[in-house]
Amino acid sequence: NAGVTQTPKFRVLKTGQSMTLLCAQDMNHEYMYWYRQDPGMGLRLIHYSVGEGTTAKGEVPDGYNVSRLKKQNFLLGLESAAPSQTSVYFCASRSLAGGYNEQFFGPGTRLTVL
Amino acid sequence: GENVEQHPSTLSVQEGDSAVIKCTYSDSASNYFPWYKQELGKGPQLIIDIRSNVGEKKDQRIAVTLNKTAKHFSLHITETQPEDSAVYFCAALLTGGGNKLTFGTGTQLKVEL
Repeated sequence: NAGVTQTPKFRVLKTGQSMTLLCAQDMNHEYMYWYRQDPGMGLRLIHYSVGEGTTAKGEVPDGYNVSRLKKQNFLLGLESAAPSQTSVYFCASRSLAGGYNEQFFGPGTRLTVL
Repeated sequence: GENVEQHPSTLSVQEGDSAVIKCTYSDSASNYFPWYKQELGKGPQLIIDIRSNVGEKKDQRIAVTLNKTAKHFSLHITETQPEDSAVYFCAALLTGGGNKLTFGTGTQLKVEL
């Protein structure tokens, strides 16, 4: 089991460019989440999905879009990157089965927007 | 929504001493409280969790206590070792609506030799 994987690991963008971050999990989890981590602010939820074909807004959704076309993948898109989106992005997944609540995290993507 | 406060933001202890990190939450309906450890350059990893119907849970050198009345919970690490050095996050979960976790701002723990 690879668990939760994220690509790419690092990326540098110029203001206004677009990109997509990919999250994949091989644990057959129903729930998937995208967080951003900034110094002194912990992890903040951007968007999440409770199943294939569904997405919902989290705490800080502005400037991001997501899609969950397949159960194992959750994509995070930045249509027009801004310096304020410089951050480390983490994806997580969670099983719905049996009320087991642990979220499993990927290794992160470090994004810099110049 | 839920709000989680975590203290201290940095903590330095001598190897072998104990470390305590404290968190408070705002929504009395929160019912699950995990603690995550994040090593440099890696994603957070669950180290211990507690549900609202339990007051204390222990796993070897780590323990978590929960006071529902006061809405606070704490992580206790005994006999600290250099490999315990990391950032620790507490979180609180409200069931329903995606079972979203709200995280504290993290504690940088440094265990000195």
